Amino acid sequence: DADVTQTPRNRITKTGKRIMLECSQTKGHDRMYWYRQDPGLGLQLIYYSFDVKDINKGEISDGYSVSRQAQAKFSLSLESAIPNQTALYFCATSEPSGGQETQYFGPGTRLLVL
Amino acid sequence: DQQVKQNSPSLSVQEGRISILNCDYTNSMFDYFLWYKKYPAEGPTFLISISSIKDKNEDGRFTVFLNKSAKHLSLHIVPSQPGDSAVYFCAAGGSYNTDKLIFGTGTRLQVFP
Repeated sequence: DADVTQTPRNRITKTGKRIMLECSQTKGHDRMYWYRQDPGLGLQLIYYSFDVKDINKGEISDGYSVSRQAQAKFSLSLESAIPNQTALYFCATSEPSGGQETQYFGPGTRLLVL
Repeated sequence: DQQVKQNSPSLSVQEGRISILNCDYTNSMFDYFLWYKKYPAEGPTFLISISSIKDKNEDGRFTVFLNKSAKHLSLHIVPSQPGDSAVYFCAAGGSYNTDKLIFGTGTRLQVFP
């Protein structure tokens, strides 16, 4: 079984709809992240959480919200989806080790907003 | 302002030859650097890392070199194999940024027979 799972894997929605992307992990890590990937722009950080009670905005948090329901679950919501939120979304987890952080990614959710 | 840059969006290499992927950074506060590999329809997977106190780290066919004075790192793959065809991201992290990683834009490597 995968250590970091994301649901759904693909989603098509319409402008103005509210949608939620879910992430679960079995690695036991405290830290979780949400990124989006756009062609030519790499991975941009949307939100991150260092433990269940800690939520922080990343570089591009406008239009998004998150919920850390438990150590293992971190959900990303688009309150009112717009076409420029069409992208590939990745969840990741990490835990400090040996003086560095290595992030482990889920398989991604491909979102299309019409 | 992009702190981590991969200026080559793509690279094509013949099987068996060396692949060299480059990455430049602007912030001298980074403590470590990582390379990730990404296949289509999958998430990025960790490949190799290097601490800022080292100038080389090797793992099998993969070697990362760090030149701090030039703020440049490179990933060497020798010999290249068709299964290495993927997008490679470099990333940088440090305690100054609470260890959040900053990613480059990626380089698509194609290894042809």
